Amino acid sequence: EVQLVESGGGLVQPGGSLRLSCAASGFTFNNYEMNWVRQAPGKGLEWISCISNYGNTIYQSDSVKGRFTISRDNPKNSLYLQMHSLRVDDTAVYYCARSYSHYNSFFDFWGQGTLVTVSA
Amino acid sequence: DIQMTQSPSTLSASIGDRVTITCRASEDISTWLAWYQQKAGKAPEVLIYKASTLERGVPSRFRGSGSGTEFTLTISSLQPDDFATYYCQQYNGYSRTFGPGTKVHIK
Repeated sequence: EVQLVESGGGLVQPGGSLRLSCAASGFTFNNYEMNWVRQAPGKGLEWISCISNYGNTIYQSDSVKGRFTISRDNPKNSLYLQMHSLRVDDTAVYYCARSYSHYNSFFDFWGQGTLVTVSA
Repeated sequence: DIQMTQSPSTLSASIGDRVTITCRASEDISTWLAWYQQKAGKAPEVLIYKASTLERGVPSRFRGSGSGTEFTLTISSLQPDDFATYYCQQYNGYSRTFGPGTKVHIK
């Protein structure tokens, strides 16, 4: 059974940093591209970043470029999101999501999400 | 960036109703479109991908259609489990954008 379990969320002050993790199981992690998607409270879904299966290709949305970094550790079956210079509008539930395939891909499995709150 | 719109933003319907949600892309995305269902407090789940392919385990009352810039999700006979928010998502290459969502309420 495919499982994605996020962790690392919490309360952080504006300008602060946080690192999210996503532990994957139930599939061959290094065969799949992975993503982070976020959802602000009461709002819609926003894709923010993806990383290829071996980590050599990364794409990000303009809203997080230069502040957030996606990475992965295949031997540990883990995906990460390092977030710096956090702003109040980064407050959201952050989901990790598996890409069904490479390049043109939707998301076939999602974690349960971890809440990041940016507030003074 | 490719922008996605959905209509309506909210919809009130009764059990057994036929429901149609429309999604439009700002440019041609061929059939690189997925539909997701999200219930309150839960992660989204994919219903349909490649515009019209039903994900395994999804009931056949869900149907997707369209290509290019205009797409529809149809629920042929609304069931109690279907009251949720529905999002379309384009995935043309590494450009990945969601629509704003359509919330389906009980009438």
